[in-house]
Order: sequence, then C-alpha cells, then structure tokens
Amino acid sequence: DAKTTQPTSMDCAEGRAANLPCNHSTISGNEYVYWYRQIHSQGPQYIIHGLKNNETNEMASLIITEDRKSSTLILPHATLRDTAVYYCIVSGGGTSYGKLTFGQGTILTVHP
Amino acid sequence: SAVISQKPSRDICQRGTSLTIQCQVDSQVTMMFWYRQQPGQSLTLIATANQGSEATYESGFVIDKFPISRPNLTFSTLTVSNMSPEDSSIYLCSVGDYTFGSGTRLTVV
Repeated sequence: DAKTTQPTSMDCAEGRAANLPCNHSTISGNEYVYWYRQIHSQGPQYIIHGLKNNETNEMASLIITEDRKSSTLILPHATLRDTAVYYCIVSGGGTSYGKLTFGQGTILTVHP
Repeated sequence: SAVISQKPSRDICQRGTSLTIQCQVDSQVTMMFWYRQQPGQSLTLIATANQGSEATYESGFVIDKFPISRPNLTFSTLTVSNMSPEDSSIYLCSVGDYTFGSGTRLTVV
C-alpha cells in the first residue's frame, strides 16, 4: 500500500472548517483513500473514502486532486467533539482488502 | 455497517499468563482483522482471520504468541500468550466494511 504523509498536528476554531491535508504521491490506480479518526484511544471511526471523485457524507467531504497524489478532508463546521487523531490511509482491493496501514496521523485540536 | 462487540474492554494481567480477547459481529463477515496499538503509537495489523482457514500473520507477529480462532462467520478470538509488560497495548478487531471494535486495553504487570 502507498505511504501517506500528514502534518503532525493542526488547530481549528470551533465552528470553522477544518481542512486536513494528506499526501499520497505513490498511490496506484486501484487504491482508495480512506479517512478514520480516533478519539481518546477509542476504536477508530470510519469517516469517508474515495477513489478519484470528490465525496461527501454527513460527517465530512473528501477532496482528491486530479492526479490523486494528495487529498484533503474537510470538516465543514468543527466542534470540540471533533478533537481527535485523524488518519489518512491508502488501501487497495484484492488481497489487501480490509487491511489498513495506519501512519501517525494528524492530531486535530478544536478550540473554543 | 456491522456492529462489533469486543470483550473484555480492559484487563490487568500478570506476566507469564495469557488473555483471550473476543470479537463478536452482528452479521456474517468473511474476514476479520486484529490490530495492536502500543502506548502513544498508531495501529499495527497483527493478522487476518478467515473462517475455516489458518490466520495470516503480518511480519513480526507469530501464531505461538498470538493464536487466533475463527470458528464461524460472526466470531473470532485473539489470545495474547505468555504476556510480558511489552504486550501492554490496546487490541482491536475490525471487519472489512470499515468498522472497528471499541478495543481491549491490556496492562501487563
């Protein structure tokens, strides 16, 4: 699976959009970009995933660049409960299906 | 998405003993995955458990230390054997639809 690079930490004001970047320059054509978050050592929570089109769900939006070498997770109106470690993961199907390689992630702190 | 129940949620164990962690899913799933999260670290995949076959272990993990059972399509267990303080971690199971259990926080003293 391709390696991802994320900033170690980010801050965001409550109510503002949080934009979390991720670089995955070695991503291959059949690999998806997944985003998870982990709040205070709970189990990771799935947020969103995409292949090449932008995706949106009730939690967040995922913007993937045209060359697919980077992506941005957008939390449109961050709240204090969004403070967590956010993981960007690249994973393919086939024998890699379901296997996730977690990096160190981005610690997002939402402040009042 | 599937709902995963993981037990125990936490335990404190003596070194040299073994602990078996259970993972129950509310629907049938082909593959289940076991992860370890050491203190202050990210998650690392231990093994993939398929029903009816031997688990497949990732580099650095061996069956003698982490035996896994998968008796049916909704259940799996991970045993941490002959524990040492270095095994103190959070152990998590997941299924292929992106869902994780809440984890088992293990402390070995």
